[in-house]
This record gives sequence, C-alpha cells and structure tokens, in this order.
Amino acid sequence: KQEVTQIPAALSVPEGENLVLNCSFTDSAIYNLQWFRQDPGKGLTSLLLIQSSQREQTSGRLNASLDKSSGRSTLYIAASQPGDSATYLCAVISGDSSYKLIFGSGTRLLVRP
Amino acid sequence: NAGVTQTPKFQVLKTGQSMTLQCAQDMNHEYMSWYRQDPGMGLRLIHYSVGAGITDQGEVPNGYNVSRSTTEDFPLRLLSAAPSQTSVYFCASKPLGTRGTGELFFGEGSRLTVL
Repeated sequence: KQEVTQIPAALSVPEGENLVLNCSFTDSAIYNLQWFRQDPGKGLTSLLLIQSSQREQTSGRLNASLDKSSGRSTLYIAASQPGDSATYLCAVISGDSSYKLIFGSGTRLLVRP
Repeated sequence: NAGVTQTPKFQVLKTGQSMTLQCAQDMNHEYMSWYRQDPGMGLRLIHYSVGAGITDQGEVPNGYNVSRSTTEDFPLRLLSAAPSQTSVYFCASKPLGTRGTGELFFGEGSRLTVL
C-alpha cells in the first residue's frame, strides 16, 4: 500500500532563505506527483504537477524534482517571502489506481519577516 | 473563471439530520471527487466519479452517498449525520487525460459540524 511522508511537519525560516521541502513515497510505481499549497481555512491550490516520465518542473520561484527510484520528491522555494507561509502537501497517483491520490500530511511553513 | 464551486461553506447539523453538499465545476472535467480533511488524518478520499452515471468508493465511503447525473455536478449526501462526520469537505476535479493523470483542482471547502 502506498504511503506518502512529508518531513519536517513544520518549518520556520527568515525571509529571503532558500528552502527545500521533502516528500517520500514507498511505492515507486507512480503515475505522477503533485504539490499543493493550502492557506488556513482555504482549499488546496495546485503548484506543480510532475509526470512519472519527468525529472522536474519549475514555476517562478518554485522547482519540484522527482526521483522515482529513491521514492523522493523535493520542492525548492527560492528567496522565500512571508507570503509563502502556508501548508505544503504532496500527493501521488500510484500504479494500483490512477483515480486515487494519496496525500502526505503536509509541511507547515512559516516565513518570518 | 469559477473553477470548482462548493456550497455551503459552513453548516451545522444535529445528529441524525441529512443534508447535501453541492459541488459544481465549469472546466468540463470528467473526474470529480470528494475528500474529507481531519486534523492528524490528512486528506481521505470519500467517493469519486469518472463521468456522468459512474461513481465509485474511495477510502472512507460509509455514511455518504453520491450521484453524477451531469458532467458539471457531483453532490455529496449525508444520510444521517453523525458527530464523526464533523470535518472539512473538499470537492476536486481533473481532466482524465492519459491514465487519469491530469492536474487536480480543489474547491474552497465546506466546513461541517455535527452536534
């Protein structure tokens, strides 16, 4: 059974730092991996989608990488800003069902001014 | 561009009452789904649909019913609400594409409290 883990559960950094959020999954047979952002009391906003054949995706200050063989993905945030404060979740679609995303529990990020 | 719209945003029910959470999307997505989000439990799939007339169970389907009569709408029905169904409910949709691996879009959520 696929399991998705995100470490650390919480992270506090000063503004301007470059940071890396981690996502690991137990079954490497995934179709894709998606990173989301969730602000308090809000829904999830899609940040980046990486298909299984891709190694990375970039959007602005965000870069997500995927290493299926090691069961890992990282989300790199460059020059962090207080507006980046949110919970970041990763989710995978596994080989046993392309209709069910398996979510990690998220990393709560605080960027201090 | 409305995306995925959920109503109501907040609801308080008494145990045993029934209600329907509404979800509509205007992106012509074949796939629609319902998740619940609880502290310490993360997001869990309740039901999903891959097209009008087609629904299937997710991880936690008990106590919930769904139907899909149109591409746009995917309502979630609570038949007899229980305190354990107190949660935040999210509707999400995506284009199926190849192997169903399209990008998933979420609504803003419906916060339900069952007393």
